[in-house]
Amino acid sequence: ETGVTQTPRHLVMGMTNKKSLKCEQHLGHNAMYWYKQSAKKPLELMFVYNFKEQTENNSVPSRFSPECPNSSHLFLHLHTLQPEDSALYLCASSRAAGTGETQYFGPGTRLLVL
Amino acid sequence: AQSVTQLGSHVSVSEGALVLLRCNYSSSVPPYLFWYVQYPNQGLQLLLKYTTGATLVKGINGFEAEFKKSETSFHLTKPSAHMSDAAEYFCAVSAANFGNEKLTFGTGTRLTIIP
Repeated sequence: ETGVTQTPRHLVMGMTNKKSLKCEQHLGHNAMYWYKQSAKKPLELMFVYNFKEQTENNSVPSRFSPECPNSSHLFLHLHTLQPEDSALYLCASSRAAGTGETQYFGPGTRLLVL
Repeated sequence: AQSVTQLGSHVSVSEGALVLLRCNYSSSVPPYLFWYVQYPNQGLQLLLKYTTGATLVKGINGFEAEFKKSETSFHLTKPSAHMSDAAEYFCAVSAANFGNEKLTFGTGTRLTIIP
């Protein structure tokens, strides 16, 4: 049982569209994460928020814009994406960032950019 | 800096046979090590993790892994494979120092169970 939900589960968008991915965790955690999972590549950490503050931006292009209004919600705003951004986007949460805390993952949003 | 190497992107075993998925890591500081499983159309689920203490770690679904510092390995095993074990398995490492929250994943191993 993950306690982390993501919506939508599937998304198709054109390169000029603006869309947002939503993540919600029901575990009382204070850290939230965005990962990108592409075929044949390791999971890539994109962003980390710890107590609503962004603590990691792993050189992510500005066409991806995260937002963390509170410890339970995390958004990923998308605009003018490229076809190579098509991937599975996973959200995760943990009690706090660092110190080996287990990260709990949501089911992901599968994004296709046309 | 840290990295993970998973040997074998695809592993097939017969039902009832031993499962062995290999993971080697590199880390400049003492590591925390994790195994996650991903079933089709789902997110990642934690199988087990090593932080400190006993080097043989038992996880869910009958899996276990042993941390071997001298070999920089954290291989995942299960004595008897079940059809429901078919999935993709990811090894991951993070640094055991406060504030470094970066979890580095391997490329994954897809496990197929042969009836």
